[in-house]
Amino acid sequence: DTGVSQNPRHKITKRGQNVTFRCDPISEHNRLYWYRQTLGQGPEFLTYFQNEAQLEKSRLLSDRFSAERPKGSFSTLEIQRTEQGDSAMYLCASSLGQIQETQYFGPGTRLLVL
Amino acid sequence: QKEVEQNSGPLSVPEGAIASLNCTYSDRGSQSFFWYRQYSGKSPELIMSIYSNGDKEDGRFTAQLNKASQYVSLLIRDSQPSDSATYLCAVTTSGTYKYIFGTGTRLKVLA
Repeated sequence: DTGVSQNPRHKITKRGQNVTFRCDPISEHNRLYWYRQTLGQGPEFLTYFQNEAQLEKSRLLSDRFSAERPKGSFSTLEIQRTEQGDSAMYLCASSLGQIQETQYFGPGTRLLVL
Repeated sequence: QKEVEQNSGPLSVPEGAIASLNCTYSDRGSQSFFWYRQYSGKSPELIMSIYSNGDKEDGRFTAQLNKASQYVSLLIRDSQPSDSATYLCAVTTSGTYKYIFGTGTRLKVLA
């Protein structure tokens, strides 16, 4: 068990470009979460999956954001037409899928939009 | 009112002292409570979880939950400089598994 992994770890892009991030959860974890964290703030929930089903999405997830988990394993988060306000750390977490459970976080992808 | 509130700090304590971190939450239906530690530029790592009223101890850490007063706290005994980090309180509310985080409290342990 190697923990949650995320790629890339850092991404610099120009405003208007599309970016895609990948998250590989801990094996056998059926829930996968995406959060966004800006400087001085706690992580904010974006969306989560149970297996391949996307069960909840935050209002923060505008129509420029889309997330998938096609086979219930890894997940991707795509941001289209990036804006400077999208600059943040994007965190992925996974959990076993029990009622009282702990989420384990990956190292995050730091996005800078110029 | 924010759903989960923490004093942003910094909270400064001398090495060897007890650090006390507090968190209040607004949803009375909240069910699970977590403390994470986050070093600058890194991702959150779990310290403790607590689900029922009372105290829960793990090594130098004690989590305290009082659902009637809607607060959860974390005590760090014998604080070390390596404990200097931001401590995040996270809560799950009824009907969802997502975490609601506070803004975090920055702790500085002075050698």
